[in-house]
Amino acid sequence: GAVVSQHPSWVICKSGTSVKIECRSLDFQATTMFWYRQFPKQSLMLMATSNEGSKATYEQGVEKDKFLINHASLTLSTLTVTSAHPEDSSFYICSARTGNTIYFGEGSWLTVV
Amino acid sequence: GQNIDQPTEMTATEGAIVQINCTYQTSGFNGLFWYQQHAGEAPTFLSYNVLDGLEEKGRFSSFLSRSKGYSYLLLKELQMKDSASYLCAVRERDYKLSFGAGTTVTVRA
Repeated sequence: GAVVSQHPSWVICKSGTSVKIECRSLDFQATTMFWYRQFPKQSLMLMATSNEGSKATYEQGVEKDKFLINHASLTLSTLTVTSAHPEDSSFYICSARTGNTIYFGEGSWLTVV
Repeated sequence: GQNIDQPTEMTATEGAIVQINCTYQTSGFNGLFWYQQHAGEAPTFLSYNVLDGLEEKGRFSSFLSRSKGYSYLLLKELQMKDSASYLCAVRERDYKLSFGAGTTVTVRA
């Protein structure tokens, strides 16, 4: 079974609204969680690195005010896409690190209409 | 930063062998991963190399040469279900993973 769970798997939202995606490590405490975005037929692009109790570190070109990341506990990180637009439609994937091992979540498809 | 290159597409027949090459340039190498990704799904872990040499795991093997910035994934006894995208990913010392664009492998009967 999955060791990193993402919710929701699919979400459709209206343009201008916000949507939250959760990433949970189910049976381990994640030192660090990472958020990726993948557009169709492209590779995974790292958006930000999230450490529990501290501010996320965003990659160059990723707007921190648009993609809010909260890492409230060692088992939960959330990504909120604020004021979503159709160009934000993508596959969002989180991963969680414990020691040297990285586990990926199942991914969340976001469609903004 | 890092620059990760792998072929875009490869086609092979069922039962054959395919080798997917990956070259990379990075400032702080801390391991190389291969993932398999089917369309619309998250990547699944295949292999991990941090030292030079060959790692074998069933039908899949992965090789690393750190001095050459080179790795390959070898898929043996290809099956139809192996049709997928294969992603080469380099991990840096801060544990960030950077992915190549992926190689789409098509297995034909």
